[in-house]
Amino acid sequence: DTGVSQNPRHKITKRGQNVTFRCDPISEHNRLYWYRQTLGQGPEFLTYFQNEAQLEKSRLLSDRFSAERPKGSFSTLEIQRTEQGDSAMYLCASSLERNTEAFFGQGTRLTVV
Amino acid sequence: DAKTTQPNSMESNEEEPVHLPCNHSTISGTDYIHWYRQLPSQGPEYVIHGLTSNVNNRMASLAIAEDRKSSTLILHRATLRDAAVYYCILRDVARDDKIIFGKGTRLHILP
Repeated sequence: DTGVSQNPRHKITKRGQNVTFRCDPISEHNRLYWYRQTLGQGPEFLTYFQNEAQLEKSRLLSDRFSAERPKGSFSTLEIQRTEQGDSAMYLCASSLERNTEAFFGQGTRLTVV
Repeated sequence: DAKTTQPNSMESNEEEPVHLPCNHSTISGTDYIHWYRQLPSQGPEYVIHGLTSNVNNRMASLAIAEDRKSSTLILHRATLRDAAVYYCILRDVARDDKIIFGKGTRLHILP
């Protein structure tokens, strides 16, 4: 098992374009989390899944953000009509079940120009 | 979400023990105390967690106050590789079990 994998590692996009990131969790991990992190700040919770069910989406998250985990395995995070304020590191994590260790990927760094 | 309070930064000398404090005065009975750390340019990594009793693993020890309103992460012998941001997190396993990060403590290790 190679751990949590995120693709792409870097993405540069023009303002107004849509982007999609992929996260492949550790096999058989039921929980999957998405976070956003900007320089000097801790990771900010975006959303999380139990298998294919999305349990919660952060109230701070605009409607331009959507996430899916269609078969309870990999997940995608889409940002529509990107803005410069969306520039950040997007982190994905997975855990086997409740209250267990979460493993993080290396993240996708998004730059909106 | 239950809140935690940590110092913004701390310094320690290499090869000496480090005690990283965390206050969580509003902790509930179903909150587990988790610690993660984030090395430069990497995603966070799990360090340790506990409920009431002190815990030890290969990375660190977790000392939990009797009233559970505070805890201390102990690195027994700091190395330069331990320089990171350390996050103290409460996970309410009876409710949502979300992992919510604060600002953490930036630990500097002096050679």
